[in-house]
Amino acid sequence: DAMVIQNPRYQVTQFGKPVTLSCSQTLNHNVMYWYQQKSSQAPKLLFHYYDKDFNNEADTPDNFQSRRPNTSFCFLDIRSPGLGDAAMYLCATSRSPGTSGTSSYNEQFFGPGTRLTVL
Amino acid sequence: DAKTTQPPSMDCAEGRAANLPCNHSTISGNEYVYWYRQIHSQGPQYIIHGLKNNETNEMASLIITEDRKSSTLILPHATLRDTAVYYCIVRVAVNEKLTFGTGTRLTIIP
Repeated sequence: DAMVIQNPRYQVTQFGKPVTLSCSQTLNHNVMYWYQQKSSQAPKLLFHYYDKDFNNEADTPDNFQSRRPNTSFCFLDIRSPGLGDAAMYLCATSRSPGTSGTSSYNEQFFGPGTRLTVL
Repeated sequence: DAKTTQPPSMDCAEGRAANLPCNHSTISGNEYVYWYRQIHSQGPQYIIHGLKNNETNEMASLIITEDRKSSTLILPHATLRDTAVYYCIVRVAVNEKLTFGTGTRLTIIP
């Protein structure tokens, strides 16, 4: 029944050691998102894919990269994790909102998140 | 997207209606009001959305004032499982992005 799956649920890495978080979906949604949520803060969008088109948020550090090899999978790569990158990373999916009216709204479905610890 | 203002925390007795307010005084005509919630250690979950009419679904009701500058999310019979952070978000429907504010931490008290 799982619709948005994130692996692993908990990830520990060392300062400066590259790490990859993965997300997969069974919903066949064309939009996939990565959010960062630090302790006691709201989720913050890092970037999203609209099909294969990558859309980076202006304030997302270059240290964060993403890959989407196919519709079902999306990866978050942190090239050189710092202590400040410790957070919950949330993946979400949606269908394209479309171009007209309230009927075009498609909710975002979130995965359970991966909690990243940087030692 | 317009900014929203929510109280940081609220308590509600189990079995009573929980009414969560949201101010969005700068909302524009093509922006919708959305509510999501995040239960501890889980990803956010969509609850409901609306433009100007009141909306109801199996989870909640959304009341939007006539001038659309504020709204209230109503959980009619709150249970302990409704304890969560509730986010009110205003955005244009065709915009894919969600910009989360600080939200309201709702605690249901037995």
